[in-house]
Amino acid sequence: GDSVTQMEGPVTLSEEAFLTINCTYTATGYPSLFWYVQYPGEGLQLLLKATKADDKGSNKGFEATYRKETTSFHLEKGSVQVSDSAVYFCALSNTGFQKLVFGTGTRLLVSP
Amino acid sequence: DAGVIQSPRHEVTEMGQEVTLRCKPISGHDYLFWYRQTMMRGLELLIYFNNNVPIDDSGMPEDRFSAKMPNASFSTLKIQPSEPRDSAVYFCASSLNNDYEQYFGPGTRLTVT
Repeated sequence: GDSVTQMEGPVTLSEEAFLTINCTYTATGYPSLFWYVQYPGEGLQLLLKATKADDKGSNKGFEATYRKETTSFHLEKGSVQVSDSAVYFCALSNTGFQKLVFGTGTRLLVSP
Repeated sequence: DAGVIQSPRHEVTEMGQEVTLRCKPISGHDYLFWYRQTMMRGLELLIYFNNNVPIDDSGMPEDRFSAKMPNASFSTLKIQPSEPRDSAVYFCASSLNNDYEQYFGPGTRLTVT
């Protein structure tokens, strides 16, 4: 079945450092890919998405490129802030299926 | 838009009691999802509905759990009887057909003692 694998956390960075959170997927067909973010005490919210190969999703300084050849969707940000501290979830939805398959989440801790 | 609304935000109950969690999806959305989040198991999809009809309940852990959606603007997740291992944060989410973005509510933190 479809699955998503994320790097384990926590990822601990200093403010203004470069961030990469790895995500790879296994799916039949042509899934859409997502990054969701969960701030402490809140529900998940969509950060960015890409619906086909080579698409780049971006939002709030975060970027991820849909790489079909490596089945990856790594999340990057050039300069993190303390306010970026949260749990980040990679997810996919496959064609014709409304439900999302989530990774296990990666906690990011950014210190001043 | 008010977003997805869940109530209560926190629930503390004793083992054996019935618990009912409530969700109001975003108006116009035709999919509704119930998730459970714990440290041990992460985020799990319990059940989801399309146009008020349950589509996939394979994630419901056991018969003690049941979910209903009597109309397009309301859903409940019931646990009867509750057990300490049901302690978790329960999220409701909704989405629009053919738009795979799901909008999550703030969650209900359930503690069963």
